[in-house]
Amino acid sequence: ETGVTQTPRHLVMGMTNKKSLKCEQHLGHNAMYWYKQSAKKPLELMFVYNFKEQTENNSVPSRFSPECPNSSHLFLHLHTLQPEDSALYLCASSQEPAASTDTQYFGPGTRLTVL
Amino acid sequence: KQEVTQIPAALSVPEGENLVLNCSFTDSAIYNLQWFRQDPGKGLTSLLLIQSSQREQTSGRLNASLDKSSGRSTLYIAASQPGDSATYLCAVMSSGTYKYIFGTGTRLKVLA
Repeated sequence: ETGVTQTPRHLVMGMTNKKSLKCEQHLGHNAMYWYKQSAKKPLELMFVYNFKEQTENNSVPSRFSPECPNSSHLFLHLHTLQPEDSALYLCASSQEPAASTDTQYFGPGTRLTVL
Repeated sequence: KQEVTQIPAALSVPEGENLVLNCSFTDSAIYNLQWFRQDPGKGLTSLLLIQSSQREQTSGRLNASLDKSSGRSTLYIAASQPGDSATYLCAVMSSGTYKYIFGTGTRLKVLA
């Protein structure tokens, strides 16, 4: 266990559904991240939150909507997704993104399938 | 734009062998570089982090080196074990960005 939990672990949804992914970190970190991992592609950073403020949106389509109510929780709200959005969605947290020794701790991921 | 490449994409070795995984990056202006391990269907675990001012880091049977000028890092695994079987990912943080660019990984299988 890394101290970062994600729910659900698996999710199957239709293109017209609305669902949310949840991430919680128990490490007292200040920054949280959403990544997308598709087959045969490098891990892609989607969003970064630092002290609850969004500091990075890596040109992510608006059908993905993040929410960070506090430093311990991060959500990814999904609506009208496409089949190509099927992937493993990973959440991570770290103490201080600007520190050269900052290490990111990852959750186990949510395997999303869009039908 | 930073690009990270890992070679080989897959590697299968007998138990006990020493092995080297390679990572190359296009922009040498980096803040740090991390090696991660990912087990099937799971998240990433950080193995070693090398700051831009460092040349290598060691943890147990793992040694990572960094050569910024040539845009290369290697992960050396000594006396490999079946439990080392996983995908190894290299991630580079470019200076001023504070975000990681990942390679596609090397899938390692250590045969008993």
